[in-house]
Amino acid sequence: DAGVTQSPTHLIKTRGQHVTLRCSPISGHKSVSWYQQVLGQGPQFIFQYYEKEERGRGNFPDRFSARQFPNYSSELNVNALLLGDSALYLCASSLLALTDTQYFGPGTRLTVL
Amino acid sequence: KQEVTQIPAALSVPEGENLVLNCSFTDSAIYNLQWFRQDPGKGLTSLLLIQSSQREQTSGRLNASLDKSSGRSTLYIAASQPGDSATYLCAVKQGGSEKLVFGKGTKLTVNP
Repeated sequence: DAGVTQSPTHLIKTRGQHVTLRCSPISGHKSVSWYQQVLGQGPQFIFQYYEKEERGRGNFPDRFSARQFPNYSSELNVNALLLGDSALYLCASSLLALTDTQYFGPGTRLTVL
Repeated sequence: KQEVTQIPAALSVPEGENLVLNCSFTDSAIYNLQWFRQDPGKGLTSLLLIQSSQREQTSGRLNASLDKSSGRSTLYIAASQPGDSATYLCAVKQGGSEKLVFGKGTKLTVNP
């Protein structure tokens, strides 16, 4: 079975632009979470979605939004990009049991110039 | 607010050495703790998951322990190899959500 997939792999944008990142969970997984990892830091939680509903939100501005589709794939949108949004964006999926392992994708490297 | 700390931030050892990575957390009300490996510029690979009711988990040369009451976990790597060189992250899950709270990681270098 394929693992968590993310697209694109790399992305370069300029300040003020908008970006959409995509994630496909492991087959059968209904929960998708998004994390931001800046260089030298651990990942920071952005959102969690389950059955197309937001189940958790981290401490990020309203410029960040996400949604989940009926096939459980997800998009993360970031508006009005800032230099500080440059990071590795990670998607994780799980079966949504509290005891379950979360499986991470390879990430999307976003560079904002 | 849960905070996760990993010590040391970096560790360099010769090949074949046994080593221990440390993780501490401030709030003991966790569901589980997970150890991950991250290669440079890559995603996270799950190594071991310890439920809050468990004391340890083992996978091959890796052994992770959990002392929830003291807010500590250790990852023991036996007979280290150059291929073990990576950043190791621990993360705790709590609060009835899927949110993981991560430490900053320990960067491990195993020298041939």
